[in-house]
Amino acid sequence: EIVLTQSPGTLSLSPGERATLSCRASQSVSSNYLAWYQQKPGQAPRLLIYGASSRATGIPDRFSGSGSGTDFTLTISRLEPEDFAVYYCQQYGSSLWTFGQGTKVEIK
Amino acid sequence: QVQVVQSGAEVKKPGASVKISCKASGYTFTSYYMHWVRQAPGQGLEWMGIINPSDGSTTYAQKFQGGVTMTRDTSTSTVYMELSSLRSEHTAVYYCARGGNSNVYFDYWGQGTLVTVSS
Repeated sequence: EIVLTQSPGTLSLSPGERATLSCRASQSVSSNYLAWYQQKPGQAPRLLIYGASSRATGIPDRFSGSGSGTDFTLTISRLEPEDFAVYYCQQYGSSLWTFGQGTKVEIK
Repeated sequence: QVQVVQSGAEVKKPGASVKISCKASGYTFTSYYMHWVRQAPGQGLEWMGIINPSDGSTTYAQKFQGGVTMTRDTSTSTVYMELSSLRSEHTAVYYCARGGNSNVYFDYWGQGTLVTVSS
């Protein structure tokens, strides 16, 4: 089973700053099989990025994904107030779907 | 538009069972897999298993084998997940989520169902 490790656990930033979130896999992951989600308190997760770098429908272009192999990154270019949330990466491989433990982006 | 709507919160006693529903609309029900994801209080997301609405075939994560049963009703475009022999550790929010194109990510999520297990 591929384990995803996200860092940092918590990111304290101010609105307008750039956020860089990391997701590292224990084995190589196909770029096609890496996704990112945003979850706000009391809400279901929302798909942000799929295929490592493709934005889901309706996702603003301040969100971008990159990476390959075992290292993937979610970047939020300029944080808006509504972006403070928990972010999860997720991968698919060998008929298993797994999530990272999440990164919380909080207001500094 | 695609919608995935789950049944309401449940409170159960230890040892009981619970069956959660997830009704899909706005797309061809049998064309997309449905997954279940658990989120314990204050914790992250954990994939539980998948059902193919077309033929009812299922695959469960090893951790959940034996305690979870996923079924579907094509006449109502609804999938179900039954949890048996409930313990306090089963207290969590359970989400159903549609498998997106190629079924490698989750593009539409239900609102979640809170299951509380308490004596």
